[in-house]
Amino acid sequence: DTGVSQNPRHKITKRGQNVTFRCDPISEHNRLYWYRQTLGQGPEFLTYFQNEAQLEKSRLLSDRFSAERPKGSFSTLEIQRTEQGDSAMYLCASSPSGRGLATEAFFGQGTRLTVV
Amino acid sequence: RKEVEQDPGPFNVPEGATVAFNCTYSNSASQSFFWYRQDCRKEPKLLMSVYSSGNEDGRFTAQLNRASQYISLLIRDSKLSDSATYLCVGWRYGGSQGNLIFGKGTKLSVKP
Repeated sequence: DTGVSQNPRHKITKRGQNVTFRCDPISEHNRLYWYRQTLGQGPEFLTYFQNEAQLEKSRLLSDRFSAERPKGSFSTLEIQRTEQGDSAMYLCASSPSGRGLATEAFFGQGTRLTVV
Repeated sequence: RKEVEQDPGPFNVPEGATVAFNCTYSNSASQSFFWYRQDCRKEPKLLMSVYSSGNEDGRFTAQLNRASQYISLLIRDSKLSDSATYLCVGWRYGGSQGNLIFGKGTKLSVKP
């Protein structure tokens, strides 16, 4: 499967614990995005990488959230001291670099986080 | 005001009906637009890109009206398999970079 891969698919954690999610984008896609989606809402932008550089972070991304893409390939999203409000589907997407033009983003199947 | 806003729906239509969704955007949101489709508990998938004055793909037609800042999606001869949530997406341009901004989505349910 050469699509965007996310692990784990599901995560249940106790409030206050740290969690880390992984995203493997489509090979050679320069851009990688993280989104969060709750029931009945569209995906909300969290952060975006161009290769290994984190170029933009949403105000939604509090200090408890951190994302990395150390070698410009896979990315991790860590949430520290989880809260019940963090329960959501975390979606990763990748797209080729379009030199400033919009290009299609391909999504992974997401990681569903439940904080109890 | 949200950067991309959509009809909330839900739209419940019979098979064979024609249905149209609208989406409005703010100035900051974009120069390019897309419609994505999302099935229940699945990831969003690109349905159509809308780059200029609109385009057509089979039963689907997307229109862009820059003067009024809205995008529409028209589905003709609805099928049961068209039941899904349709997400309007703007490409927010910032310097040489940008990212995709999603609307909340419009739920479509096609009934027999």
